[in-house]
Amino acid sequence: QSVLTQPPSASGTPGQRVTISCSGSSSNIGSDYVHWYQQLPGTAPKLLIYRNDQRPSGVPDRLSGSKSGTSASLAISGLRSEDEADYYCAAWDDSLSGWVFGGGTKLTVL
Amino acid sequence: QVQLQQSGPGLVKPSQTLSLTCAISGDSVSSNSAAWNWIRQSPSRGLEWLGRTYYRSKWYKGYAISVKSRITINPDTSKNQFSLQLNSMTPEDTAVYYCARAHGGWIDYWGQGTLVTVSS
Repeated sequence: QSVLTQPPSASGTPGQRVTISCSGSSSNIGSDYVHWYQQLPGTAPKLLIYRNDQRPSGVPDRLSGSKSGTSASLAISGLRSEDEADYYCAAWDDSLSGWVFGGGTKLTVL
Repeated sequence: QVQLQQSGPGLVKPSQTLSLTCAISGDSVSSNSAAWNWIRQSPSRGLEWLGRTYYRSKWYKGYAISVKSRITINPDTSKNQFSLQLNSMTPEDTAVYYCARAHGGWIDYWGQGTLVTVSS
């Protein structure tokens, strides 16, 4: 059971906008930043969004992040087949003094 | 560009100790602005943070409660790397193990991952 809660799956057709949610508590998302990762099969997670809404160099602007209270979301617009992957949210948890993750959302491009 | 290169066995017998190493290039294990983490991933437990070490005028270490009694993470400044030791391995510890750097308040670089199977 992951500390952060994500829907197990999401889907969309090419060109659509998809949103993935991440719910936490006052000891993690409510008091710190949220970060998002993309994981392709057989590879390590790759940083997509840091500090709630910041994109590392090379991440397209059709990906965006937001946070409100103890929840956060990742939005992908102009969906492409290469976006098909698992997506994870992460945050530092002050009570646990460690990193916590969501259970992951498998995004399918129909 | 930071690179993390993991090494270590992929098969461990029950009750034995897992030892993994993460070699760092493009940064220093003694950096005053980075923390060096071990994270594992399994279908049953998802992504699970195990612990970290970092240097801020002295060395600090922090471990997840779930493995605190069995884990040791050590820096090796002479080789610019850090290591994971996890004792008393059981089949439930079967997972892909990752080393990762946290910098600026987020995890930004990951190692390639090592599939560790616990089996006799």
